[in-house]
Amino acid sequence: TQLLEQSPQFLSIQEGENLTVYCNSSSVFSSLQWYRQEPGEGPVLLVTVVTGGEVKKLKRLTFQFGDARKDSSLHITAAQPGDTGLYLCAGRTGTYKYIFGTGTRLKVLA
Amino acid sequence: DAGVIQSPRHEVTEMGQEVTLRCKPISGHNSLFWYRQTMMRGLELLIYFNNNVPIDDSGMPEDRFSAKMPNASFSTLKIQPSEPRDSAVYFCASSPVGLAGTDTQYFGPGTRLTVL
Repeated sequence: TQLLEQSPQFLSIQEGENLTVYCNSSSVFSSLQWYRQEPGEGPVLLVTVVTGGEVKKLKRLTFQFGDARKDSSLHITAAQPGDTGLYLCAGRTGTYKYIFGTGTRLKVLA
Repeated sequence: DAGVIQSPRHEVTEMGQEVTLRCKPISGHNSLFWYRQTMMRGLELLIYFNNNVPIDDSGMPEDRFSAKMPNASFSTLKIQPSEPRDSAVYFCASSPVGLAGTDTQYFGPGTRLTVL
């Protein structure tokens, strides 16, 4: 069974702090996506990374795909309360199927 | 444009009852996914349709679960009979083309199902 482990599970930080969320697996993925989910809503795609070693930046968010395409990280600089939510990574395992990670629940305090 | 529409948003039922969840995908999208989200198991793919045809139902827990897509604008997920362990949030997502490469899945707001 393919698993995507995310760490930490929970993170509570003060506004302005930096943080990194990790997504790890023993499996190789052809691409990996990061989503943010807010209470009562469905996940919303933030980014897709495809190439090993790829780095993508989305304003204060930096996403990296591991060289071996087994892991990924999400770094947030100067976190804001609006960044609060559940962050999910999802690794593509086939033509259409993505396996979702266990999730990191982030709370940014004002 | 409207996103993925799901109904009902909340459903409370008693064990043994039939439950039907509904989804309207984004117009023009030809791939549709049903997911289930629980605290214990996270987000799990139940079934995938492409051009209204079920392609992969390996995630459907058991025979009590069935899904249909009679046309490009409507899909249902039915649980009969329902059990307390079916309590979860069920999401429908749609995607253009068929999830080749880096296609985006657009998720609906979900249906929170509680089986008493």
